[in-house]
Amino acid sequence: AQSVTQPDIHITVSEGASLELRCNYSYGATPYLFWYVQSPGQGLQLLLKYFSGDTLVQGIKGFEAEFKRSQSSFNLRKPSVHWSDAAEYFCAVGDMEYGNKLVFGAGTILRVKS
Amino acid sequence: DGGITQSPKYLFRKEGQNVTLSCEQNLNHDAMYWYRQDPGQGLRLIYYSQIVNDFQKGDIAEGYSVSREKKESFPLTVTSAQKNPTAFYLCASSPRLAGLGEQYFGPGTRLTVT
Repeated sequence: AQSVTQPDIHITVSEGASLELRCNYSYGATPYLFWYVQSPGQGLQLLLKYFSGDTLVQGIKGFEAEFKRSQSSFNLRKPSVHWSDAAEYFCAVGDMEYGNKLVFGAGTILRVKS
Repeated sequence: DGGITQSPKYLFRKEGQNVTLSCEQNLNHDAMYWYRQDPGQGLRLIYYSQIVNDFQKGDIAEGYSVSREKKESFPLTVTSAQKNPTAFYLCASSPRLAGLGEQYFGPGTRLTVT
């Protein structure tokens, strides 16, 4: 079965520092990968997606992610974190065999120190 | 403005009562989804619908029911058979019937059952 692992439950970074959130997936075919962000008590907002092509994808709010097939990873990065980036981040893989289903990781909570 | 609305934002019920959560979208999306979110577990799929008058069970459908009588509406009923109904419920929609597209999320409903 498809699965997504986000190894870090919490991450704390200083404002202005770089950020990398890890995501590993298990999927037999070419994966469709997503990163979403959720502010407390809110819905999820799509940051970026990978379907095919260039393995480095750019998203909103200055985020990018790199798809590495050999490592089954899709890590999210940002070169300089802002206090407003504090939120929970979810990685997801699309399941082509199950309609349009998304399988989500457990999430990583990002805290930003000023 | 186009989007997904969920009402109410907070809902309180006594144990043993059925409760219906509303989800409406004006994005003209074909597919709609219901997820349940619990701390540290990410999002888990309850039901999804790819077309009017048709829906499929997700990973945790027991104790829940849905209907899809109109394209824009996908209400979720949490029945008394659901053993642990207190959670944050998120509705989503997707513009594509087949293939894969990103999902757009509503703001969520927090259900508390005592």
